[in-house]
Amino acid sequence: EADIYQTPRYLVIGTGKKITLECSQTMGHDKMYWYQQDPGMELHLIHYSYGVNSTEKGDLSSESTVSRIRTEHFPLTLESARPSHTSQYLCASSDQGASYNSPLHFGNGTRLTVT
Amino acid sequence: KNQVEQSPQSLIILEGKNCTLQCNYTVSPFSNLRWYKQDTGRGPVSLTIMTFSENTKSNGRYTATLDADTKQSSLHITASQLSDSASYICVVSDRGSTLGRLYFGRGTQLTVWP
Repeated sequence: EADIYQTPRYLVIGTGKKITLECSQTMGHDKMYWYQQDPGMELHLIHYSYGVNSTEKGDLSSESTVSRIRTEHFPLTLESARPSHTSQYLCASSDQGASYNSPLHFGNGTRLTVT
Repeated sequence: KNQVEQSPQSLIILEGKNCTLQCNYTVSPFSNLRWYKQDTGRGPVSLTIMTFSENTKSNGRYTATLDADTKQSSLHITASQLSDSASYICVVSDRGSTLGRLYFGRGTQLTVWP
């Protein structure tokens, strides 16, 4: 089983609060990703990183930001949480890009509820 | 438009029975096709990855097939177990950019009853 960890697993927070979702991997992967997943819907890419100090926005418009100061760590921050941010957030990593045959390794996600 | 469509949306089978899940895609240019299993409350776990030249790939009781001409894939589960209850997600990668991107289906929710 892959070694990629997300904390917290569940978070309930009020509107306007600043939150950081943590993601760490111990596999030395350069590529890391954040996905958003709602029930019955496909995963949407919100941020990705191909290495230290490299971050890009994904396909889904997001008010979150990410940083990649260390290879193993890829936190996601919401400066001001809103009810529309309520969702499941999944972090993933891989040793090569999507066009190569290396699988994504996912964490178990953070279920965020904004009241 | 690059898309991945899965069917059925949900499926209920009895323990010990076989089942087949379908995936149709329009992603081009094609690089590889992946099947993931996602248990409730967990992250997806990779089952198989197939390239253009591979017609079939197995992982235990899971067998994936790929027809790149018709842009269809299937995941066959043999002798189902209660632990097979999960969402099965088809993911297709393109090679339109240096590192490619992934297109996700919405998944098939499989329930195995005793």
